[in-house]
Amino acid sequence: SAVISQKPSRDICQRGTSLTIQCQVDSQVTMMFWYRQQPGQSLTLIATANQGSEATYESGFVIDKFPISRPNLTFSTLTVSNLSPEDSSIYLCSVGQGIRDTEAFFGQGTRLTVV
Amino acid sequence: AQSVAQPEDQVNVAEGNPLTVKCTYSVSGNPYLFWYVQYPNRGLQFLLKYITGDNLVKGSYGFEAEFNKSQTSFHLKKPSALVSDSALYFCAVRDKGNTPLVFGKGTRLSVIA
Repeated sequence: SAVISQKPSRDICQRGTSLTIQCQVDSQVTMMFWYRQQPGQSLTLIATANQGSEATYESGFVIDKFPISRPNLTFSTLTVSNLSPEDSSIYLCSVGQGIRDTEAFFGQGTRLTVV
Repeated sequence: AQSVAQPEDQVNVAEGNPLTVKCTYSVSGNPYLFWYVQYPNRGLQFLLKYITGDNLVKGSYGFEAEFNKSQTSFHLKKPSALVSDSALYFCAVRDKGNTPLVFGKGTRLSVIA
């Protein structure tokens, strides 16, 4: 199993600013995943982050809006840039979705409110 | 492409009664299937998974799910519901390859005392 520490747990941000979310895993993992959960909605994959390479973004998500860093095998950050109220969501990081994995693990999530 | 359908937005059940939360899926190959639960202001918690083997899978907190390949379903069940089971339940699927999880829209379970 993997234990994921995600920070901050919640934040309230002004329009036009940015928020960086940190995800720390207690073991080395190849791939890390970032999801968004809009209010009352399901989880939508934003991007997949591999260590040492550019993140792969899903349709509808772009690097300028959601830059991701993956400096080592236990850590990743997601920045949500130029915030608008539509960005108010829960953001979650996840590991354990590689080809040899049979269970995904999730951080506790970051609840972002944009005012 | 993978997809998951949870046809019910809300399920209401009386405490002590059996509960079922429905899930159907679509994948190109053999699926990995999962159920997760989300309590208010909490992250996702893993309940159970089907990878291979017995079609009836037992998980945490007395939950179980039955994999039905012909009906492409993976319904979540519990013989006797508790008020504390009230939460948002997500079904998720991934192909056996290197693909990320795809989630259903979620079903809100309300257990009434």
